Amino acid sequence: AQSVTQLDSQVPVFEEAPVELRCNYSSSVSVYLFWYVQYPNQGLQLLLKYLSGSTLVKGINGFEAEFNKSQTSFHLRKPSVHISDTAEYFCAVSANNLFFGTGTRLTVIP
Amino acid sequence: KAGVTQTPRYLIKTRGQQVTLSCSPISGHRSVSWYQQTPGQGLQFLFEYFSETQRNKGNFPGRFSGRQFSNSRSEMNVSTLELGDSALYLCASSSRGGEYNEQFFGPGTRLTVL
Repeated sequence: AQSVTQLDSQVPVFEEAPVELRCNYSSSVSVYLFWYVQYPNQGLQLLLKYLSGSTLVKGINGFEAEFNKSQTSFHLRKPSVHISDTAEYFCAVSANNLFFGTGTRLTVIP
Repeated sequence: KAGVTQTPRYLIKTRGQQVTLSCSPISGHRSVSWYQQTPGQGLQFLFEYFSETQRNKGNFPGRFSGRQFSNSRSEMNVSTLELGDSALYLCASSSRGGEYNEQFFGPGTRLTVL
C-alpha cells in the first residue's frame, strides 16, 4: 500500500528565508515521487518529480527535493522564498494513480 | 498546447439531484483521472480512464461514475447528491497514464451541495 505523510500542515516563513517542507512516504512497489503546488482557486501544478537516478531533483521556481530511500523521505527545499511562493504544497507517490499527502500551506511573510 | 479544461467551474446543486462534470484533456493525451479535494479528506483518487476504458478506481460509492469518449474527453457523474459531496473535483490528463507519467491538472469544478 502507498501513503504519504506531510508532517507540517502550515509553515510560515519570512521572505528571502530558506524553507523545507517535509514529506515521508511508504510504498510497497516502485517509488515515483512528486511535489505539486496549488495556488488559490487553481488546479495543481507539478514542481518536480523523482522517477530514478540522481537523488537530488531540481524543479521549477527554484525548488529542489532530495530522495532519501533509507529515511523514506522526499523533502522539498528552497533557499530563498518569495511572496509569490505562498500556496499549498502537496507531496504525492505514484502507483498507477497518485496518492497525495494532506498538504502544507506555505505562507511567506513580507 | 491548450491545457486541461473543466466545465463548469462552479456548480450549486441540492441534495438528491445529480450532476455531470466535464473534462477536456490536453490534445494527444489518452488518460484522464479524476480526484476529489475536500478540506477533511484532502485529495482522493476517484477513477482513471484510458482509451474509453476505466483502468483504475478509487474507494468511492457507486453514485460516482464516469466515462470517456473517443476524443478522450471525459465526464464524471454523481447521482443522488449528498452534502458531503461538496468538493473541488479535479481532472488530470497524461499521455499514457501509469505510475510514472506526469499528470497535468485542470483548474477544477467546485461543487456545492445545499
